[in-house]
Amino acid sequence: AQKVTQAQTEISVVEKEDVTLDCVYETRDTTYYLFWYKQPPSGELVFLIRRNSFDEQNEISGRYSWNFQKSTSSFNFTITASQVVDSAVYFCALSDNYGQNFVFGPGTRLSVLP
Amino acid sequence: DGGITQSPKYLFRKEGQNVTLSCEQNLNHDAMYWYRQDPGQGLRLIYYSQIVNDFQKGDIAEGYSVSREKKESFPLTVTSAQKNPTAFYLCASSRYYNEQFFGPGTRLTVL
Repeated sequence: AQKVTQAQTEISVVEKEDVTLDCVYETRDTTYYLFWYKQPPSGELVFLIRRNSFDEQNEISGRYSWNFQKSTSSFNFTITASQVVDSAVYFCALSDNYGQNFVFGPGTRLSVLP
Repeated sequence: DGGITQSPKYLFRKEGQNVTLSCEQNLNHDAMYWYRQDPGQGLRLIYYSQIVNDFQKGDIAEGYSVSREKKESFPLTVTSAQKNPTAFYLCASSRYYNEQFFGPGTRLTVL
């Protein structure tokens, strides 16, 4: 069975600090997809990134970066120079090769204090 | 603008009533999903549909029903059999093999 673990329930940082959100996954598939979503206080989930299991290159998008390590089954998310607007719940998710069996982690609530 | 709409934003239900939550998408996505989110919790899958006139139960389908008569629409009915329906309901859609995009959600409260 597929599973996503986000061990950090809540994180608080002060603005401009860097913060890393951890995501560990379990799957027996050789081909799968990993995702990160942001849920601001308004409630709507916002898609951030998708990564397939064959692409282990790290990705950077502005202040956001993702580190995918197959050897440790991790797909961690780093926000550099955090801002108050980054305050949200962040979900890591996993799906199989067919986009089915979509599993979300429990989420990490990030609070960025001014 | 393409996107997913959910209505209503807030819904109040008396015990014993059935209510229907609307979800419409104009993204031409094949698959659609319904999730339930309780306060401080993650998302749990209620139902999903990969094609018109076909849908499958998710992890917590009891007390819910859906239909998929049109590609654009995937309404969710919360029946009186659902004993604790107060929650935030999110609808999503996706192309095959791709990320899901979410609507703004409906907050359902049982009075």
